[in-house]
Amino acid sequence: AQSVTQLDSHVSVSEGTPVLLRCNYSSSYSPSLFWYVQHPNKGLQLLLKYTSAATLVKGINGFEAEFKKSETSFHLTKPSAHMSDAAEYFCVASAPSNTGNQFYFGTGTSLTVIP
Amino acid sequence: ETGVTQSPTHLIKTRGQQVTLRCSSQSGHNTVSWYQQALGQGPQFIFQYYREEENGRGNFPPRFSGLQFPNYSSELNVNALELDDSALYLCASSRDLRETQYFGPGTRLLVL
Repeated sequence: AQSVTQLDSHVSVSEGTPVLLRCNYSSSYSPSLFWYVQHPNKGLQLLLKYTSAATLVKGINGFEAEFKKSETSFHLTKPSAHMSDAAEYFCVASAPSNTGNQFYFGTGTSLTVIP
Repeated sequence: ETGVTQSPTHLIKTRGQQVTLRCSSQSGHNTVSWYQQALGQGPQFIFQYYREEENGRGNFPPRFSGLQFPNYSSELNVNALELDDSALYLCASSRDLRETQYFGPGTRLLVL
C-alpha cells in the first residue's frame, strides 16, 4: 500500500528564516515523489520532483528536497522564507499498482510567513 | 505552448443531476488525470487516462466516469450528484505515464 504523510498541517516562520516542511511516504516500490504548491484560488504548481536520480533535488524559487530512502522521507526546505512563499504545500507520490498508476497526495501543509 | 485548461470554472447543480467537466491537456501530453479536492483537503485521485484508455482509478464509485479523446482532451462525468460531491475538480496532464503532471486551474462544483 502507498501513502503519504505530511507531518505538520501548519508551519509558521519569520521572513528570512529557514523553511522545513516534512513528508514521509510508504511504498512497496520506489516511488516518484513531488512537491506542489497551491496559492489561494490558484491551481497547483510543481516545485520539484524526484525520480531516482540525484537524491538532492533542486526546484524553483529556491526550494529543494532530499530523498532519504532509509528514513522514507522527502522533506522540503528553503534557506530563507519570503512573504510570497505563504501557501499550501502538497507532497505527492506516484507508484504503479494493479489498477495502473496511482497518485497519492498528502493532506497538505499550510505555510505562514510572518513579516 | 498553452497550459492545461478546464471548463467551466464554476458550476452549481442540484442533488441527483449529472455533470460533465472538461479538460484540455497541454500540447504534446498524452496522459490526463482527474482529482477531487474538497475544501481544506488535499486532492484525491479519481482516475487517469493514457492514450484514450483508463490506466488507474482511485477509490471513487462508478458514477464517476471519464473519457479521453483522440486529441487527448478529457471529460469527467458524475451521475446522481450528491452533496458531498461539492469540491474543486482538478485536471492534470503529463507527457507520458509517471511524467510530471501539470495542473489546470480547476472547476469548482457546488451541489445543492
